[in-house]
Amino acid sequence: GENVEQHPSTLSVQEGDSAVIKCTYSDSASNYFPWYKQELGKGPQLIIDIRSNVGEKKDQRIAVTLNKTAKHFSLHITETQPEDSAVYFCAARKSSASKIIFGSGTRLSIRP
Amino acid sequence: GAGVSQSPSNKVTEKGKDVELRCDPISGHTALYWYRQSLGQGLEFLIYFQGNSAPDKSGLPSDRFSAERTGGSVSTLTIQRTQQEDSAVYLCASRPVGVNEQFFGPGTRLTVL
Repeated sequence: GENVEQHPSTLSVQEGDSAVIKCTYSDSASNYFPWYKQELGKGPQLIIDIRSNVGEKKDQRIAVTLNKTAKHFSLHITETQPEDSAVYFCAARKSSASKIIFGSGTRLSIRP
Repeated sequence: GAGVSQSPSNKVTEKGKDVELRCDPISGHTALYWYRQSLGQGLEFLIYFQGNSAPDKSGLPSDRFSAERTGGSVSTLTIQRTQQEDSAVYLCASRPVGVNEQFFGPGTRLTVL
C-alpha cells in the first residue's frame, strides 16, 4: 500500500537557523502533499501544501519543495522562532476522494 | 466559528470493556476521518467517510473497531473488548467539498488499563 516516510524523527536547531524536514512517498499517483503542525495537546493544523503540478511553494518563512521524479518533498523553515517548536507531519494523497497517508512526524525543537 | 469537537477528551477504561468516541465535525463538512496517534507516533489512518459513499474502512486494525456516521454529521468510533494496545489519542478531522485542508479536533486520549 501507499507509504510515506519522514526524516528526521527529531530535530533541534538554534533559534534563527533553518530547519529542513524530508519525506518520500511510494505511490507515483500521489498529487497532493500537505504539511501539518501539531502543538502539544492539540490536533494537527495545516501550515502549507503543494500540488504535483508545482515544484515549490513559499509562504513567509515556510517553503515546500517537490521532486516528482524522485518522489521526494521537503519542508523548509527559515529564521526559526521558539513558536516553531512542534511536531510536523508530511502527508500524501492521490485524489480528493482518497485518504491521506501521513508520515511518522518530526519533533522540532528550537534552542534559544 | 466552531471547530471540530470530540468527546470525551479523556477516557480511562478497563481491558475488555467497550468504548465509544464521538466526533462532531464542522457543520457542512462532507468528509470525516478518524486517525489513531500512539504515544510519540504518527497519524494512523482508520476510516474515512465521504458524503453518501461507502466509507473507506481500510485502516481499521481489527474487527473490534467500527465507526458510523449518522445523518452525514456526527460520527462515533466504537472499540469493542478494548486491549492495552488500543491506548492512544484518537483524532477526528473533517473537510468540506472542494477544499483540501482537513480540520482536526483536539482528540480523545484513551487509556486502557
